[in-house]
Amino acid sequence: DAKTTQPPSMDCAEGRAANLPCNHSTISGNEYVYWYRQIHSQGPQYIIHGLKNNETNEMASLIITEDRKSSTLILPHATLRDTAVYYCLPSGSARQLTFGSGTQLTVLP
Amino acid sequence: DAGVIQSPRHEVTEMGQEVTLRCKPISGHDYLFWYRQTMMRGLELLIYFNNNVPIDDSGMPEDRFSAKMPNASFSTLKIQPSEPRDSAVYFCASIKRAGGGYGYTFGSGTRLTVV
Repeated sequence: DAKTTQPPSMDCAEGRAANLPCNHSTISGNEYVYWYRQIHSQGPQYIIHGLKNNETNEMASLIITEDRKSSTLILPHATLRDTAVYYCLPSGSARQLTFGSGTQLTVLP
Repeated sequence: DAGVIQSPRHEVTEMGQEVTLRCKPISGHDYLFWYRQTMMRGLELLIYFNNNVPIDDSGMPEDRFSAKMPNASFSTLKIQPSEPRDSAVYFCASIKRAGGGYGYTFGSGTRLTVV
């Protein structure tokens, strides 16, 4: 599995865009980039995934660099309920979801 | 769909007792996973099933842990005998297919405390 590097913590003002970076320089060609988040005391929640192209859904946007060595998750208008630990997970198969330490995002009022 | 359902939400037991955690995956999902989360080790994959068959149990910490999936709608994780170091939050997750492009759905977890 590809190794990932994420900042341990970030703050964001409510209503502003939150941009969470992830470095996955060893990602292989068949590995998707998944993002999950875990709100305190809850199970991880799937957010979005991508392979090569940028992706957007109702929760977030995912920007993947052309060389696929890094990606950025964008929460366009962060709310207090977006405070959570965000995990970036390159994976090519179901059994290879390895959760690292993630980024603790704190949305400030 | 009600999502992945786990029970109980909280379990407190004495060391040496048997503990059984339960999970109902999302209907139609072919894969089921058991994870454990602690402050020290984060989220760890314990075992996963495909079409009710255990595929990889290399994450199961020791023989005191066992998991079964008797049918597509039910799985159990059993610890016998339990020890204080087993205290953790245990999550069950399911996914429709293993290939890239599908997201897991996790349950709310069972918080186990062994005293």
